[in-house]
Parts: sequence; C-alpha cells; structure tokens
Amino acid sequence: KQEVTQIPAALSVPEGENLVLNCSFTDSAIYNLQWFRQDPGKGLTSLLLIQSSQREQTSGRLNASLDKSSGRSTLYIAASQPGDSATYLCALSSGYALNFGKGTSLLVTP
Amino acid sequence: EADIYQTPRYLVIGTGKKITLECSQTMGHDKMYWYQQDPGMELHLIHYSYGVNSTEKGDLSSESTVSRIRTEHFPLTLESARPSHTSQYLCASSAKLAGEGSDTQYFGPGTRLTVL
Repeated sequence: KQEVTQIPAALSVPEGENLVLNCSFTDSAIYNLQWFRQDPGKGLTSLLLIQSSQREQTSGRLNASLDKSSGRSTLYIAASQPGDSATYLCALSSGYALNFGKGTSLLVTP
Repeated sequence: EADIYQTPRYLVIGTGKKITLECSQTMGHDKMYWYQQDPGMELHLIHYSYGVNSTEKGDLSSESTVSRIRTEHFPLTLESARPSHTSQYLCASSAKLAGEGSDTQYFGPGTRLTVL
C-alpha cells in the first residue's frame, strides 16, 4: 500500500520568505502527483498536478517537482504571503483514487 | 473553478438518525469519489463510482452507502448515525484534461458531520 509522508508537519515563516514543503512516497508506480491546498473548514483546491512522465510544474509563485526514482516531491513557494497560510496536501494517484499525506500546516506571519 | 457542490456544509445530529449527504457536479465527470477526513489525519477513500449505476467501496471501510443514479449526483447515506461517524466528508469528481495522461480530481467544500 502506498505510504505518503509529508515533512514538516507544521511550518511558520515570516512574510517574504521562500520555502519548501516535502513529500515522500513508497511506491513509484504512480500516474500522477497532485499538490492541494486546504483552508480551515473548506474543501481542497488543486494547486499543481505533475504527470508521471514529468519532472516539474510551475504556476505563479509555486513550483512542484517530482523524482519518482527517489520517491520524492517538493513544493516550492516563492515570496510567501500571509494569504498562503493553509494546509498543503500531497496526493498520489496509483489507479482509481488518491493516496494522501497528512499535510503540512503553513503559517505565514506578516 | 470546479463546479462541485456539497450540502449540508455542517450537520449536527443525534445517534440513530438516518442522514444523506448530497454531492453534485455540473462538469459532466463520469468518476466521482467520497473521502473521509478525521481532524489532523489523511483523507481516506470510502466510496467511488466510475459512472451511472457503478459504485465501489474504497480503501477505508465505512458503514455508509452510496448511489449513482444520475451522472451529476452521488449521495452518501448513513442509515443509523453513531458518534464514531463524526468526521469531515469530502466529495470529488475527476476527468482527464486535454493533453494529460491521467485524471485531475476536483473537490467539493466538504460536509462536517457531528453525531452526538
């Protein structure tokens, strides 16, 4: 069974810092990897999707990388803002559904 | 923005009651999913559907049931709610976007259920 681990579990940074969230997984036989954002009491918002054949995806201040051989993905957030405060979830598709990590809770302080 | 809706958003109910959580999507997606998320824990798949009249159980055992009579509608029912059912329930649908090799999932806002 796919195990997904996200480190750190929580992170607090001052506004303007660049930061990296980490995701590791045990089974490299995946279709894709998605990074989501979850705000308190709300659903998930898809941030980036990396197909199995890709190495990275970029959207605005976000960049996600995928290294299947080492079972790792990173989400890089540039010039963080207080509005980036949320829980970030990594999820892998190995078939009909997604396997999620527990998430990294990010707090960006003004 | 994904057009997937869940009602109610919050529900507090007594033990033994029958409840139905609604999920609808207007994107015409064939595949739909129900996930359960306890506070501070991962989302776990409890049900999924590949299309009308198709329903399957997910990785996490659940006492809930689902139905898929229409493409856009995927309700989840608990016949007799118990405190152990207290959790957040998230509905999702997916489709393969142009140029992509696999599905992208879109999530609804979730229903936070509390059973007293």
